[in-house]
Amino acid sequence: AQKVTQAQTEISVVEKEDVTLDCVYETRDTTYYLFWYKQPPSGELVFLIRRNSFDEQNEISGRYSWNFQKSTSSFNFTITASQVVDSAVYFCALRDGTASKLTFGTGTRLQVTL
Amino acid sequence: GAVVSQHPSRVICKSGTSVKIECRSLDFQATTMFWYRQFPKKSLMLMATSNEGSKATYEQGVEKDKFLINHASLTLSTLTVTSAHPEDSSFYICSAAAGRNYEQYFGPGTRLTVT
Repeated sequence: AQKVTQAQTEISVVEKEDVTLDCVYETRDTTYYLFWYKQPPSGELVFLIRRNSFDEQNEISGRYSWNFQKSTSSFNFTITASQVVDSAVYFCALRDGTASKLTFGTGTRLQVTL
Repeated sequence: GAVVSQHPSRVICKSGTSVKIECRSLDFQATTMFWYRQFPKKSLMLMATSNEGSKATYEQGVEKDKFLINHASLTLSTLTVTSAHPEDSSFYICSAAAGRNYEQYFGPGTRLTVT
């Protein structure tokens, strides 16, 4: 069975601080995909990144970066120089290589204050 | 590309009535659509997976007679909440994929309130 754990329920930071959101996953598949989504108060899910299990390269996109470590089954997400607009719930998700079904973590609510 | 719409975005209905929510893929053909439910401050829970032209596959614990799903075309799936009750109040999100092993694109969600 697949499982995604986001141990941090809520995180509060002051603007310009860096923040890392943790994601740990479990799967028996050798081929799988990991995702991060942002859900602002409006409710719409915003796709941030997809990473497949064979690509362990870290990725940076502007202030966002992702650290994929297969050895620890983790796919952590870091926001540098956080901004108020980053306030949202962030979900980590896992999909196996043979189907479209996504397994979501419980989400981390990030609050960035001035 | 890959835009998914949902209608309505918000709906308030009285207890005992039925409500239909539409999910449309606007610029691609979605052979597979998914329906999720999200309670306040909770994660997304998959309710069912529907493939165009066939019956939906419901997740364990989801009442198929209460949550009717129809995927009659490659661009439209509907979720009907029958005989709605206040406990059915929730945020319903659909997603669409071009195939079984394709990425899901999410709709903006529908907030249902049953009074």
